[in-house]
Amino acid sequence: SAVISQKPSRDICQRGTSLTIQCQVDSQVTMMFWYRQQPGQSLTLIATANQGSEATYESGFVIDKFPISRPNLTFSTLTVSNMSPEDSSIYLCSAGGQGINEKLFFGSGTQLSVL
Amino acid sequence: SQQGEEDPQALSIQEGENATMNCSYKTSINNLQWYRQNSGRGLVHLILIRSNEREKHSGRLRVTLDTSKKSSSLLITASRAADTASYFCAPDSGTYKYIFGTGTRLKVLA
Repeated sequence: SAVISQKPSRDICQRGTSLTIQCQVDSQVTMMFWYRQQPGQSLTLIATANQGSEATYESGFVIDKFPISRPNLTFSTLTVSNMSPEDSSIYLCSAGGQGINEKLFFGSGTQLSVL
Repeated sequence: SQQGEEDPQALSIQEGENATMNCSYKTSINNLQWYRQNSGRGLVHLILIRSNEREKHSGRLRVTLDTSKKSSSLLITASRAADTASYFCAPDSGTYKYIFGTGTRLKVLA
């Protein structure tokens, strides 16, 4: 199994600022993913964080708004840039899907409120 | 990747009763997984069933898979208040990413 530490667990931010969310895995993993979950909704995949190359973004998400870093096989960051109230969501980091018995492991999430 | 569709959207039962939720998908799969989410936090993996399996058990959980109907069901027996959560299925078509549906919100009343 894998244990994922995600921080911060919550934050309240002002419009126009940026927040960087960190995700640390206790073992090396090939695949890391970032999801967003708006209130009462399902999870939406933002991007796949690729080690050593640019992240692969899903439709509707762009690098300028959600830059992602993946410097090694155990760590990734997601930045939410130039925030607006519409960015208020829970952001979830996950890892796995290949190896580790094909399961996805999740961090505990970051609850972001933008005023 | 493909998205599973869970049904019903919401389910409310008494403690001790069984809870059944269903998942449908569209294309062939390698495996199908079920996850639980408590109060908007991270998802927790519950069980994985492979395409060549028809039924699998884990504690109070029983999962069935019917590849001809492209559907799966999750049964939670003798439910407890602590089972109150949202449940998601994730069909894996062999791609590396998982797309989640809207889930089934289960409420177990004490």
